Amino acid sequence: DADVTQTPRNRITKTGKRIMLECSQTKGHDRMYWYRQDPGLGLRLIYYSFDVKDINKGEISDGYSVSRQAQAKFSLSLESAIPNQTALYFCATSGGAERNYGYTFGSGTRLTVV
Amino acid sequence: GEDVEQSLFLSVREGDSSVINCTYTDSSSTYLYWYKQEPGAGLQLLTYIFSNMDMKQDQRLTVLLNKKDKHLSLRIADTQTGDSAIYFCAESPNSGGYQKVTFGTGTKLQVIP
Repeated sequence: DADVTQTPRNRITKTGKRIMLECSQTKGHDRMYWYRQDPGLGLRLIYYSFDVKDINKGEISDGYSVSRQAQAKFSLSLESAIPNQTALYFCATSGGAERNYGYTFGSGTRLTVV
Repeated sequence: GEDVEQSLFLSVREGDSSVINCTYTDSSSTYLYWYKQEPGAGLQLLTYIFSNMDMKQDQRLTVLLNKKDKHLSLRIADTQTGDSAIYFCAESPNSGGYQKVTFGTGTKLQVIP
């Protein structure tokens, strides 16, 4: 099983719909992140969480919300999806003794808003 | 704010060396990373270097850091078709708490057989 699992892998939704992307990890890391990837723009941070009780906005949090249900689970919600939220979304984790040695990424969720 | 820049595209012939370059602006950058993203997959950490190092070698990969010019490069020796991917440079300061990582836009490496 993958260390960081994202569901769904692909999703097409309509404008105005609420959608949730889920992330779970078996790394035992305390820190979790949500990024979106757009061609030519690299990765931009949406939200991050140091632990279950700590949630922080990233650089592009408008239109998104998150929930850290447990140390291993971090979900991203689009309250009312719009077409410019069409992107590839990645969950990542870091923590423990590996904290400074980079992130572990999930395989991504490709979201299309029509 | 912090900025990390990379060229968007690089094409090399199989067997040649590839050099992917990156520049960053944050002078407090302590950790610098190279990630590889294959089609349909997430980012995979390839290697990292601390700012007190000039070079790090790992098999076919060589990372060079010029801290004065804030320039990082990744050299892939004997490039293979399996090296075709997007390569991301990233940097992080030693904030002591949250390790805010800033990613570049990614360089798409195309390896021609």
